[in-house]
Amino acid sequence: NAGVTQTPKFRILKIGQSMTLQCTQDMNHNYMYWYRQDPGMGLKLIYYSVGAGITDKGEVPNGYNVSRSTTEDFPLRLELAAPSQTSVYFCASTTSGRGTGELFFGEGSRLTVL
Amino acid sequence: EDKVVQSPLSLVVHEGDTVTLNCSYEVTNFRSLLWYKQEKKAPTFLFMLTSSGIEKKSGRLSSILDKKELFSILNITATQTGDSAVYLCAVVRSSNTGKLIFGQGTTLQVKP
Repeated sequence: NAGVTQTPKFRILKIGQSMTLQCTQDMNHNYMYWYRQDPGMGLKLIYYSVGAGITDKGEVPNGYNVSRSTTEDFPLRLELAAPSQTSVYFCASTTSGRGTGELFFGEGSRLTVL
Repeated sequence: EDKVVQSPLSLVVHEGDTVTLNCSYEVTNFRSLLWYKQEKKAPTFLFMLTSSGIEKKSGRLSSILDKKELFSILNITATQTGDSAVYLCAVVRSSNTGKLIFGQGTTLQVKP
């Protein structure tokens, strides 16, 4: 019963490097999200997707890109990493876009940019 | 601009105390409000509230929504050290995206 799986769990990047955070879910959910959580703060939406082939920006999309080629996978790409992107990243999914179902979260990926 | 505000931001109590966490919101086209508990890792789901005045209850935790005054409370009775966590409130708008708008969270520490 995997649910939402994120990799890697931890990563240290140098300024200017790029990387991809992987997210996959096995619940056949159409709706997927990437959030970031800074210390002492709630979660901010980066990007979201309502189905394969469809993505859209959230509150804080700058410096990130996403793709959704399959229902299961929703990778988040960081281009030209900056210290401001040091954060914990959560991928999440849900079955309904109408706000009638709970959001299922991955375990999180802690990223440090030095 | 949509806004979800939680109070207090942090709270320290002793085992056995009862705590009340608050969540107020200003969101257009409100659909539902969710409470999550976060212990070091990913948030775990507690409650979803869509109707005013109907209490949701799970063991020592309960929550209620007031759609007229635009707030929700989360009560924890007879607190235990295992209740120590960040409690997050989030609101969903009536759209077909399912996006959640989160509050800052309340950090609860329960001392033995």
